[in-house]
Amino acid sequence: EIVLTQSPGTLSLSPGERATLYCRASQSVSSTYFAWYQQKPGQAPRLLVYGASSRATGIPDRFSGSGSGTDFTLTISRLEPEDFAVYYCQQYGSSPITFGQGTRLEIK
Amino acid sequence: QVQLVQSGAEVKKPGASVKVSCKASGYTFTTYYIHWVRQAPGQGLEWMAFINPSDGGTHYAQKLQGRVTVTRDTSTTTVYMELSSLRSEDTAVYYCARAGTNQALDIWGQGTMITVSS
Repeated sequence: EIVLTQSPGTLSLSPGERATLYCRASQSVSSTYFAWYQQKPGQAPRLLVYGASSRATGIPDRFSGSGSGTDFTLTISRLEPEDFAVYYCQQYGSSPITFGQGTRLEIK
Repeated sequence: QVQLVQSGAEVKKPGASVKVSCKASGYTFTTYYIHWVRQAPGQGLEWMAFINPSDGGTHYAQKLQGRVTVTRDTSTTTVYMELSSLRSEDTAVYYCARAGTNQALDIWGQGTMITVSS
């Protein structure tokens, strides 16, 4: 099983700042099958990025994904108030599909 | 619009079974796989299983093998997830989600809270 470790666990930033979230895999992951999701309290997750760097439909361009192999990054260029949420990485190229434990992005 | 609508919350006793439904609409049902993901209170996401609605083929997380069964009814465009021998640690919100063109989970149901308690 591929273990995904996200860092930091919690990130405290202010609106307008840049956020960088990390996800490290225990073994190499196909970037074609790597995604990021956002989840707000009481809501289902929402797909942000798939294929490591492709934005999902309707996702603002302040969200960008990058990385390959074992190290992946989600960057939010300028934080908006609605961006404060929990973010999960996911690999879906190897069975079982696995998620990271999440990074909580909170308002400083 | 494309959507997945799940059945309502349930409370079950330990040892019982639960069956959650997920009705798809707004797209061709047999084109996209449906996955099930659960989230225990305050915890992260755990992948459980998927089904190919076209032929009914399934794949389950090894951890749940033998306790989880996913089926589909093409006439009603509904996918079902049944979990048996429930234990307290199965208490969670259960989500169905569509695997889109790239296989990432692009459409999610609203979630179904399953509480296992004596």
